[in-house]
Amino acid sequence: DIQMTQSPSSLSASVGDRVTITCRASQGISNSLAWIQQKPGKAPKSLIYAASTLQSGVPSKFSGSGSGTDFTLTIISLQPEDFATYYCQQYDVYPFTFGPGTKVDIK
Amino acid sequence: EVQLLESGGGLVQPGGSLRLSCAASGFTFTSYAMTWVRQAPGKGLEWVSGISGSGVDTNYADSVKGRFTISRDNSKSTLSLQMNSLRAEDTAVYYCAKGSAVGDWGQGTLVTVSS
Repeated sequence: DIQMTQSPSSLSASVGDRVTITCRASQGISNSLAWIQQKPGKAPKSLIYAASTLQSGVPSKFSGSGSGTDFTLTIISLQPEDFATYYCQQYDVYPFTFGPGTKVDIK
Repeated sequence: EVQLLESGGGLVQPGGSLRLSCAASGFTFTSYAMTWVRQAPGKGLEWVSGISGSGVDTNYADSVKGRFTISRDNSKSTLSLQMNSLRAEDTAVYYCAKGSAVGDWGQGTLVTVSS
């Protein structure tokens, strides 16, 4: 199975900050990488697919990049509603797998 | 508007069975693969199973292979997950999701496996 790792596991940031989260796959997955946001007690929300394509309705403050094994999610001008846990997921090879998540909280 | 409504969760004893359903609307159901994802209490997301739009191709996480069966009824736009030989570690919120690169998620249904 493909293992997904994320760094950092958590981070504290202030409103207005720019945040970058890294995701690494244990083998190449082309650009078959999604980013998902989850707030406490809520269902997940998909942000990005194909490593860099925003889901419909997702603001452009979110951006993704990468290919192969290394990927990043960047959030600019962090707002209170952006404090959440972010997961990456590969959908290139079954079984699909998620990263362990990165919790972004308020400094 | 895409809607995914899960049902069928509840409390079940270890070794028991449960069938989850997901009623889909707002999109052409047959055009999309569908996915089940679960989340144990306080834990991260775990991909459970996926099925192609036609229903011919199915895939499972190693943790549920041989115990869970995914299926779909395209005439009713419904996705199902038959869960047998349930274990305590299957306790989780189960989410129905649209696509392999999941775009839309249901609200989830809680499955608790306990005696």
